[in-house]
Amino acid sequence: DAKTTQPPSMDCAEGRAANLPCNHSTISGNEYVYWYRQIHSQGPQYIIHGLKNNETNEMASLIITEDRKSSTLILPHATLRDTAVYYCIVRVGRSGGSNYKLTFGKGTLLTVNP
Amino acid sequence: EAQVTQNPRYLITVTGKKLTVTCSQNMNHEYMSWYRQDPGLGLRQIYYSMNVEVTDKGDVPEGYKVSRKEKRNFPLILESPSPNQTSLYFCASSFSDRGIYEQYFGPGTRLTVT
Repeated sequence: DAKTTQPPSMDCAEGRAANLPCNHSTISGNEYVYWYRQIHSQGPQYIIHGLKNNETNEMASLIITEDRKSSTLILPHATLRDTAVYYCIVRVGRSGGSNYKLTFGKGTLLTVNP
Repeated sequence: EAQVTQNPRYLITVTGKKLTVTCSQNMNHEYMSWYRQDPGLGLRQIYYSMNVEVTDKGDVPEGYKVSRKEKRNFPLILESPSPNQTSLYFCASSFSDRGIYEQYFGPGTRLTVT
């Protein structure tokens, strides 16, 4: 897996957009960017993933730079329930073997304040 | 509602007393997996299963057993628990063509072995 770098913590006001950055300067052409989050002691939750185009779903948007060396997860209207550790993972997009094993780095603790 | 369920959610037991943590999913997923999560060590995979009757060791299988007799269930068995198995355990599932895309996690089982 390509190495990822995330800030250890961020704050966001409730109702505002939360923009979580991730650097992955060694990403290779067949590696996707995935985002998961983990609310304190709950099971991790898949958020979104992308290859090179920007992606949006009901939870978030993912913006990947043109050179693919960094990306930003955007929670458009953060709520208190979005307080969690957010993990950026870079992994090839094929199935099989150990590619199913989730491994998290240190992630970013996002605190949404009232 | 699509979900992964685990039981029990909390368990305190004594060294050597056999226990089983159940995991069930209702999404017809082929892939299922068990993880443990410990402070400072992140998520570590214990066992995984690609389909019925197909299981394989993860990174930390010692002291654990699993079985996959039915597609929906993937119980984790501790034949003789020891204090170093005190941990937070998560079960996960996904379709087999997804890699780490869209894995669903259970709520967790907090196990204490005294």
